Amino acid sequence: DVKVTQSSRYLVKRTGEKVFLECVQDMDHENMFWYRQDPGLGLRLIYFSYDVKMKEKGDIPEGYSVSREKKERFSLILESASTNQTSMYLCASSLDRSYDANTGELFFGEGSRLTVL
Amino acid sequence: AQSVTQPDIHITVSEGASLELRCNYSYGATPYLFWYVQSPGQGLQLLLKYFSGDTLVQGIKGFEAEFKRSQSSFNLRKPSVHWSDAAEYFCAVAPRGSSYKLIFGSGTRLLVRP
Repeated sequence: DVKVTQSSRYLVKRTGEKVFLECVQDMDHENMFWYRQDPGLGLRLIYFSYDVKMKEKGDIPEGYSVSREKKERFSLILESASTNQTSMYLCASSLDRSYDANTGELFFGEGSRLTVL
Repeated sequence: AQSVTQPDIHITVSEGASLELRCNYSYGATPYLFWYVQSPGQGLQLLLKYFSGDTLVQGIKGFEAEFKRSQSSFNLRKPSVHWSDAAEYFCAVAPRGSSYKLIFGSGTRLLVRP
C-alpha cells in the first residue's frame, strides 16, 4: 500500500516562527502536493512538485515555500508564521503527471494541524 | 471561472437509508471527476472517479456516482448507509489535458443516525 507520512500531527507555534512541515511517500511517486484544509473552503492547493527540485505555485502560495531535494520528500515551509495560517495541512502524492494515463488518484497523509498563537 | 459546488454542508440520514450527495461543476469542457472521503482524523481516500465511458461508475465501500453532462453534475449515491459511512465527502475535478491539479468542493459532512 502507498503510504504518505506527515511528520507531525499537531503543532503549536508562535507568530513569526519559521515552521517546517515534512512529508514522505514510499511509492516512488513523481508528484507531491501540499493542500490547506479549512472548514467550508474544502482543500486549496498551496504548492505542488512534479519532480525533484521542481515546483509550481498552486492557488494560495503566499506566505509559503516548499523544498523537494529528494523524490520521496516534500517539505512545506512557513517563513514567518501568522495566525491566519492556523489550519490543517494535507500532503498528497500521485504516480504520474497526466490524467490521460488514467491514473489520477491522489494518496493523502493524515494531516498536520497547525495552530499559530 | 472554474468551480465545484457541493450545495449541502451537512446531511443527516438514518442507518439503512439511501444517500445522495450532490456535486455540480462549472467548466468549459467535461473535466475528470472524483469523489474522496475523509474519515475523522484521517487523510482523504479516493472513492471513485470518472474519466470517460459509462456514466455510472462504481466505487469502493458500495458507493456509485452518475455523471450527467446536461446538468454538469456528478452525484454520489449509496443505497443503504452504514454508521461507518459518517465522514466528510469531497467532490473534485481536474481539467482534461495535462493538468493534474485537482479542484475540490467545500465538502459535505454526513451524519448517520442509529
